[in-house]
Amino acid sequence: VQLAESGGGLVKPGGSLRLSCAASGFPFTNVWVNWVRQSPGKGLEWLGRIEREAEGGTSHYAASVKGRFTISRDDSKNMVYLQMNSLKSEDTAVYFCAALLGVDMYNWFDPWGQGTLVTVSS
Amino acid sequence: DIQMTQSPSSLSASVGDRVTITCRASQTISNYLNWYQQKPGKAPNLLIYAASRLQSGVPSRFSGSGSGTDFTLTISNLQPEDFATYYCQQSYSNLPYTFGQGTKLEIK
Repeated sequence: VQLAESGGGLVKPGGSLRLSCAASGFPFTNVWVNWVRQSPGKGLEWLGRIEREAEGGTSHYAASVKGRFTISRDDSKNMVYLQMNSLKSEDTAVYFCAALLGVDMYNWFDPWGQGTLVTVSS
Repeated sequence: DIQMTQSPSSLSASVGDRVTITCRASQTISNYLNWYQQKPGKAPNLLIYAASRLQSGVPSRFSGSGSGTDFTLTISNLQPEDFATYYCQQSYSNLPYTFGQGTKLEIK
């Protein structure tokens, strides 16, 4: 069971970038997939999630990125994407994708990808 | 949003010690509380879910307790591999999920 992010890099303020999250080893279609970021030397910030296609594939976002970031999924490719527009310097961070798993009414983030670094700088 | 506050922010301890990290929620979250361990350059790793249930494969020296707004993570008989940063995360409200700011456990 693995997730792997790609697509990070250096981008100028105001620019765009698309991150990818590839899943292997588990039935990807059955899970909500989340994006979480970690700014340099800082804590973890949940950015958003995309729900199962069977439930409509709805996406939800944190206030800090709503309107700028868009999450989508392609279950045929076991992929989830994070499209980031209008990037700001404060978006500089390591971006993780993480599956939401659970039992009973409890859920948690597991597994996580290894993270991909996004640097927003001129 | 539910705010999660951890204390202390950092902690120094020795191998073999017992340490406790506290996490407080800004409103009641029942026992919808997870704990993660993160090592430098790595993704977080789930230790405990539902406040006190040990994730499969996690050593029994890790334990969690609490309910409502106050929670603790206890590590008994600290091992060298336990020196890392620990985060709590509430799953009571999924919009948004929120994390504590982290507690860095360092070797004394």
